Amino acid sequence: ELKVEQNPLFLSMQEGKNYTIYCNYSTTSDRLYWYRQDPGKSLESLFVLLSNGAVKQEGRLMASLDTKARLSTLHITAAVHDLSATYFCAVDRNSGYALNFGKGTSLLVTP
Amino acid sequence: DTAVSQTPKYLVTQMGNDKSIKCEQNLGHDTMYWYKQDSKKFLKIMFSYNNKELIINETVPNRFSPKSPDKAHLNLHINSLELGDSAVYFCASSQVPEETQYFGPGTRLLVL
Repeated sequence: ELKVEQNPLFLSMQEGKNYTIYCNYSTTSDRLYWYRQDPGKSLESLFVLLSNGAVKQEGRLMASLDTKARLSTLHITAAVHDLSATYFCAVDRNSGYALNFGKGTSLLVTP
Repeated sequence: DTAVSQTPKYLVTQMGNDKSIKCEQNLGHDTMYWYKQDSKKFLKIMFSYNNKELIINETVPNRFSPKSPDKAHLNLHINSLELGDSAVYFCASSQVPEETQYFGPGTRLLVL
């Protein structure tokens, strides 16, 4: 069974600081997704990583994928309050018709 | 203009009742999904459909019955609701299974 582990699960950081969220998964997959969820809202797609070594950046967020290590990272640069949300990584099953999600990282950015 | 829409957004009901949630996508996607998000925010796949055909049924109790009348719609009917069914149910769609899944706004179900 494909397991997806994120850490940390809770993260409180000051504005202006940098931090990394880690996502490990247990079986081979070449497709990994990052989503953002604001309280009471839906999931918003942030990044799709489709191959080993893929790196994508949007604003203060950068995601990378190492399929050999079965590891993805979401790096936050110079955090701002608007980044406060829950971030999920999700891994595509080889069957291609389902995502297995991590438990999410609740990020709080404080002044 | 909403890409993936769900109705209702909120559903409060008594144990033992039967309820339905409707989902529609206007993105022209072939694949649709139902996910359940529990009170700890954990998301788990329930069903996926491709071109109206059931592909994944993730050991969901048979009280849950999805129906896809056409590619743009995927409904979820729940019989004999239980307290443990309280959760947020998200519909999603994608162009092909491997592409980004776009999520609906969610239906917040509370069973009393």
